[in-house]
Amino acid sequence: GENVEQHPSTLSVQEGDSAVIKCTYSDSASNYFPWYKQELGKRPQLIIDIRSNVGEKKDQRIAVTLNKTAKHFSLHITETQPEDSAVYFCAASRAGGYQKVTFGTGTKLQVIP
Amino acid sequence: NAGVMQNPRHLVRRRGQEARLRCSPMKGHSHVYWYRQLPEEGLKFMVYLQKENIIDESGMPKERFSAEFPKEGPSILRIQQVVRGDSAAYFCASSLGQGGVTGELFFGEGSRLTVL
Repeated sequence: GENVEQHPSTLSVQEGDSAVIKCTYSDSASNYFPWYKQELGKRPQLIIDIRSNVGEKKDQRIAVTLNKTAKHFSLHITETQPEDSAVYFCAASRAGGYQKVTFGTGTKLQVIP
Repeated sequence: NAGVMQNPRHLVRRRGQEARLRCSPMKGHSHVYWYRQLPEEGLKFMVYLQKENIIDESGMPKERFSAEFPKEGPSILRIQQVVRGDSAAYFCASSLGQGGVTGELFFGEGSRLTVL
């Protein structure tokens, strides 16, 4: 089955700096890669996703890149703000068919004001 | 359109009792997933269901745990003879399934089980 590894497990940045979280996946058939943000005590919520036919996607301060050959994808947050502090999970799945979603182990991001 | 509804939000059980967690997926969603999350840890896959079918239960312990998603009514995750190690947040998520363009999951607020 799919295996998703995520690094780092914790990340502290100064407000205004950038944060990068990296994930690798094992199943070459995976074609959908979402990122979820989970604030303390809350449910995970989708913040951005990318499909395998795209190499990069941006949404304001958030961007995701995908390297299918190397089977890795990354989340980039620029101009970090205290409200970005949360746990971020990457995930991989095969959209459209058997859709089991496998999550990474999470990255706890702390943005220091 | 109501989101994914889970109940109860908090459940306290004594060792040996049964816990039943319910999940109503978003309207129109035919796939349901259950994940377990221990404090300060990630989302561990338990089971993936369609209506009346278990698609993948590879993450669910073989004993004491069962899940169903009947034709009518919510999906239920059942834990028999609970032990302290079962204390966790159990998240349900739903997706459109094969009719969906993506595999985007929509999560419920979670059910927090505490075993005394």
